[in-house]
Amino acid sequence: RKEVEQDPGPFNVPEGATVAFNCTYSNSASQSFFWYRQDCRKEPKLLMSVYSSGNEDGRFTAQLNRASQYISLLIRDSKLSDSATYLCVVTVSSGNTPLVFGKGTRLSVIA
Amino acid sequence: EPEVTQTPSHQVTQMGQEVILRCVPISNHLYFYWYRQILGQKVEFLVSFYNNEISEKSEIFDDQFSVERPDGSNFTLKIRSTKLEDSAMYFCASTADSGGEAFFGQGTRLTVV
Repeated sequence: RKEVEQDPGPFNVPEGATVAFNCTYSNSASQSFFWYRQDCRKEPKLLMSVYSSGNEDGRFTAQLNRASQYISLLIRDSKLSDSATYLCVVTVSSGNTPLVFGKGTRLSVIA
Repeated sequence: EPEVTQTPSHQVTQMGQEVILRCVPISNHLYFYWYRQILGQKVEFLVSFYNNEISEKSEIFDDQFSVERPDGSNFTLKIRSTKLEDSAMYFCASTADSGGEAFFGQGTRLTVV
């Protein structure tokens, strides 16, 4: 049973394109949701938290659907520097609980 | 900007040898974690540590693994007798509070030969 599932990609898109990633999670007790970015052979870095009301940070928009246990990330006006693997991450935020990572979706933005 | 630092960046060891991976979490953080990522696979939780004791551990974290916070700054992961399948990137992370943003170190690439 995969706890956090993502389409592995790769997504190859031209600069300026809009791209959307989806993620589903199996644990209905999950309380906190995040998108992390990981460059090749580097550590994961927090891109943004995901809130029930949806949230936006510049070109990035994250949405959460608790009923469907589904999270999305939309990237508008893709830049070459957006090329990376995007990790969907959830946690049950009670005490010192660990992050549960999806395998990630690879994005390549092409000039 | 404060950061989590890990040493060494790369370690090669022979099967059966003991290794110690070192981490210096962000100084005012209270919760510490080790994760690992086998090449091409997802990031997997190993262990969490708070108030000088293990809070939670995964099934990966068997008797061959141990963690320690020997002083006020270092947080170590020891693998007692390495196996080939222990080859992976090991990430240390810390958070200021429960459920807070996790900051990851740059990782130690462990290669067991």
